[in-house]
Amino acid sequence: EIVLTQSPATLSLSPGERATLSCKASQSVSSYLAWYQQKPGQAPRLLIYETSKRATGIPARFSGSGSGTDFTLTISSLEPEDFAVYYCQQRNNWPPLFTFGPGTKVDIK
Amino acid sequence: QVHLVESGGGVVQPGTSLRLSCAASGFTFSSYGMHWIRQAPGKGLEWLAVISYDVNGEYYADSVKGRFAISRDNSKSTVYLQMDSLSLEDTAVYYCARSRPGSSWYGGDYWGQGTLVTVSS
Repeated sequence: EIVLTQSPATLSLSPGERATLSCKASQSVSSYLAWYQQKPGQAPRLLIYETSKRATGIPARFSGSGSGTDFTLTISSLEPEDFAVYYCQQRNNWPPLFTFGPGTKVDIK
Repeated sequence: QVHLVESGGGVVQPGTSLRLSCAASGFTFSSYGMHWIRQAPGKGLEWLAVISYDVNGEYYADSVKGRFAISRDNSKSTVYLQMDSLSLEDTAVYYCARSRPGSSWYGGDYWGQGTLVTVSS
């Protein structure tokens, strides 16, 4: 079973700053690495799929990168609505089993 | 627009069963895989199961395999999660999600708002 680790657990930043979130896998994963954003009381929202592709309607300030075991979500300039919890998710090649990382909370400094 | 509405949650006793439903609208349901994911109070997300668009395949997380069953009725645009032998650890908000276009086995793109299941004696 592939385990995802996210760091830091909490990231305290100010609006306008750049956020860099890390997701590391216990073994090399396929390109099926996705990022979700979740705000309190809301369902998660897909931000990035296949490591670097932005989902429909996601602003360009969100970008994803990485390969192998190390992946990154970058928010180039934080907007007030970006303060939330972010989860990475990977899928096995086969069978299609999915796992989430524990999440990174981005809060206001 | 894509709309997913979960129902069937509630308070149940340990050892009992419950069936959740997720009604879909705004897209051609029979062309998409569907997922169930849960989130215990104050915790992270846990993927549970996925079913193919044509009901020919279904896969489960090890934590629920043999106890939970995913199914769908394309004529009703609804996906279900049958949960048996519930324990306190199954207390969570349960979400359904649609697989991204292109394959039943892609991750979820649109999610419902969730239904709360509380297992309590």
